[in-house]
Amino acid sequence: AQKITQTQPGMFVQEKEAVTLDCTYDTSDQSYGLFWYKQPSSGEMIFLIYQGSYDEQNATEGRYSLNFQKARKSANLVISASQLGDSAMYFCAMRLYTGRRALTFGSGTRLQVQP
Amino acid sequence: GAGVSQSPSNKVTEKGKDVELRCDPISGHTALYWYRQSLGQGLEFLIYFQGNSAPDKSGLPSDRFSAERTGGSVSTLTIQRTQQEDSAVYLCASSLPSGETQYFGPGTRLLVL
Repeated sequence: AQKITQTQPGMFVQEKEAVTLDCTYDTSDQSYGLFWYKQPSSGEMIFLIYQGSYDEQNATEGRYSLNFQKARKSANLVISASQLGDSAMYFCAMRLYTGRRALTFGSGTRLQVQP
Repeated sequence: GAGVSQSPSNKVTEKGKDVELRCDPISGHTALYWYRQSLGQGLEFLIYFQGNSAPDKSGLPSDRFSAERTGGSVSTLTIQRTQQEDSAVYLCASSLPSGETQYFGPGTRLLVL
């Protein structure tokens, strides 16, 4: 079974600074996808970024980038130039390409951006 | 375009009552997922529908939980004889048939008194 670990329950960052949210995963499968979602206080899960296990380049989406280190089984999210609106819960998730297609989520990191 | 919609947004019920939660996926998305988010258990997968295939029910916590998807679109999650531990946010997501990304609805907050 796959497992996602997010070791930072809470993080603080100053506005305009960069922040890294940690995520490690465990699976014996070779084919999988890694995702980050943002959940503001309103509750909706917002997709941020995706990385496939066979992708050689780290994924980037605007101010979000995914630092993918396959050998270490880590998929850290980097947010550059933090904004007040980035304050939210952030979830790392994984899905296998074969078999069960459901997402397995980590426990989340609460990010607070300070002015 | 319209995203995933869910109704009701909030539901308060008494222990022992049945509840129905509805999910309307993004148009053209044939894959539909239900998840539950609770304080104690985090985000858990419940059930997955893909087109006309048999659903993956492996995440349903008990036989009090069931779901159906009519016409390959709208889905209803039914919880019978609700218990207080069923209190949670129920999230629905949908994706394209071969799509990697699941897009979530706003959720239904269920409170069982």
